[in-house]
Amino acid sequence: DSGVTQTPKHLITATGQRVTLRCSPRSGDLSVYWYQQSLDQGLQFLIQYYNGEERAKGNILERFSAQQFPDLHSELNLSSLELGDSALYFCASSPWTGEAFFGQGTRLTVV
Amino acid sequence: AQSVAQPEDQVNVAEGNPLTVKCTYSVSGNPYLFWYVQYPNRGLQFLLKYITGDNLVKGSYGFEAEFNKSQTSFHLKKPSALVSDSALYFCAVRDVKTGGFKTIFGAGTRLFVKA
Repeated sequence: DSGVTQTPKHLITATGQRVTLRCSPRSGDLSVYWYQQSLDQGLQFLIQYYNGEERAKGNILERFSAQQFPDLHSELNLSSLELGDSALYFCASSPWTGEAFFGQGTRLTVV
Repeated sequence: AQSVAQPEDQVNVAEGNPLTVKCTYSVSGNPYLFWYVQYPNRGLQFLLKYITGDNLVKGSYGFEAEFNKSQTSFHLKKPSALVSDSALYFCAVRDVKTGGFKTIFGAGTRLFVKA
């Protein structure tokens, strides 16, 4: 158990819909990362927050947004969903030493 | 911009033999380097990291990695492979100088260990 909790584990939704993925980091970790893993794109960095502030941005679509709340949990919002958004979405948290601890992921299926 | 490459999609090795999973990186500053392992239907697990110091880093489950600055490589190794080592392995890099907090992952290398 990494200590990072992601909910829900599975999500099935229709195209055009909006969903919210939730992540609770390990106790004491201030950094939260979001990644997307698909078969053809590998593990893609989306966005990173540190203590509530956005610190780094990767290949995150404009239809996607995220935030980190004062209690350090984070949410990833995906809107106007397309079939191609179907993937595993991972959250990870990290202490100052740099290594990331990953949650179990949310498997999103857009139908 | 920082990048990381894992040149092999798949590595096959017999149980008991040594294994190597290759990783090369490109950063403009000093790198933080990491290896992670992913088992089916699981999140990635941290194996080991290099930040500074000894070029040979030891990690979990008997794995080690060697940092080679001149070749910009950080290959993962294990002296004797186990069938249970079969998994997907990711190398990752953080460019401390310019990348700050962004950690980029390689495409992954699937390791098959045959009994």
